[in-house]
Amino acid sequence: IVLTQSPGTLSLSPGERATLSCGASQSVSRDYLAWYQQKPGQPPRLLIYGASTRATGIPDRFSGRGSGTDFTLTISRLEPEDFAVYYCQQYGNTPLSFGGGAKVDIK
Amino acid sequence: EVHLLESGGGLVQRGGSLRLSCATSGFTFTKYAMSWVRQTPEKGLEWVSGISGGGGDDTYYADSVKGRFTISKDNSKSTLYLQMDSLRGEDTATYYCAKETAMIGVPLFDQWGQGTLVIVSS
Repeated sequence: IVLTQSPGTLSLSPGERATLSCGASQSVSRDYLAWYQQKPGQPPRLLIYGASTRATGIPDRFSGRGSGTDFTLTISRLEPEDFAVYYCQQYGNTPLSFGGGAKVDIK
Repeated sequence: EVHLLESGGGLVQRGGSLRLSCATSGFTFTKYAMSWVRQTPEKGLEWVSGISGGGGDDTYYADSVKGRFTISKDNSKSTLYLQMDSLRGEDTATYYCAKETAMIGVPLFDQWGQGTLVIVSS
């Protein structure tokens, strides 16, 4: 499954809402779709799995929704530490695959 | 606290070999499946290989590395390995080891190492 993320870059200010999209080339089995955050020089960090379940310790300003082929990650109010690159990953179909990433940077 | 520490990366000539290691601590290594995931600026994140947990040794590979890479683990040392042979330029990447969650058979990664850089020169 090919995952296409949009937009490639989102330029926003702290406090604003960020909405990132992840489109799948075919339906993701069981909506097994995850989101990761990656900051420079760091590995990815799991944010959301099962399309909408926050991982342990993830603040509730992060939310995920979607099913089938269309998924979104929303950050309700951007904090300074949220400016990073976000990746979606599907793990319901073999082989697992990642999206190309979407950067949220400071406007 | 969970720790994953990769080592073994470096510069290698095309056609050569490298063995990556991932030393782990802070969790019961034998219970969890583990994977190697690589990343380049151009191609982003790519799953490379995985090995089952729970006492099993089932292995899985991406088509791009099948027949050239071998994943293994030493439970007594809580260490994961990736033997990389017949290396190609397109194998140049940062290689991460990643721990899967407790959901069996679900390749979802809740812990990652800091990565080790592999550069394949021509």
